[in-house]
Amino acid sequence: AQTVTQSQPEMSVQEAETVTLSCTYDTSESDYYLFWYKQPPSRQMILVIRQEAYKQQNATENRFSVNFQKAAKSFSLKISDSQLGDAAMYFCAFFYFGNEKLTFGTGTRLTIIP
Amino acid sequence: DTGVSQNPRHKITKRGQNVTFRCDPISEHNRLYWYRQTLGQGPEFLTYFQNEAQLEKSRLLSDRFSAERPKGSFSTLEIQRTEQGDSAMYLCASSFVAGVPEQFFGPGTRLTVL
Repeated sequence: AQTVTQSQPEMSVQEAETVTLSCTYDTSESDYYLFWYKQPPSRQMILVIRQEAYKQQNATENRFSVNFQKAAKSFSLKISDSQLGDAAMYFCAFFYFGNEKLTFGTGTRLTIIP
Repeated sequence: DTGVSQNPRHKITKRGQNVTFRCDPISEHNRLYWYRQTLGQGPEFLTYFQNEAQLEKSRLLSDRFSAERPKGSFSTLEIQRTEQGDSAMYLCASSFVAGVPEQFFGPGTRLTVL
């Protein structure tokens, strides 16, 4: 069974600074996807960034980037130039074809300090 | 079509009552998922449909839970004889069966069982 671990229940960062959220996972699969989802308070979950395991290049979406270390089974999210609107719960999630569903971590609550 | 919608957004019921939730996916999506999220946890998979066929049910889905997706469009999730432990956020997501397995989430239905 696949497991996803987020070891930081809460993180805080000063506005305009950079923060990194950690995620590790366990799987015996070789072809899979990893996702970071953002869930603002009382709002729906939205996709921040995704990474396909076969792609060696780390994914980047504007201020959001990942550090994907396949051998270490690590998938961290870096948020640059943090903004007040980045405050949310962030969930790391794993998917592989054959299992067909997302397995989520327990989340990291990110607070932005003005 | 602006995304996945769920109704109602909030439901308060007394223990022992039956409740039904509805999810309307993005119209082109042929996969529809139900997840349950309790406070401080990541979403947990309950079940999913491909078109009208229910392809997998989690062991979390007891006999009191039933889901349908008639004609492969909207889906309903019914909980019979609700228990206090059913209190949670019920999330619906939809996706394409092929390509990048990105799931788009609805706003959720928050169930409170008194």
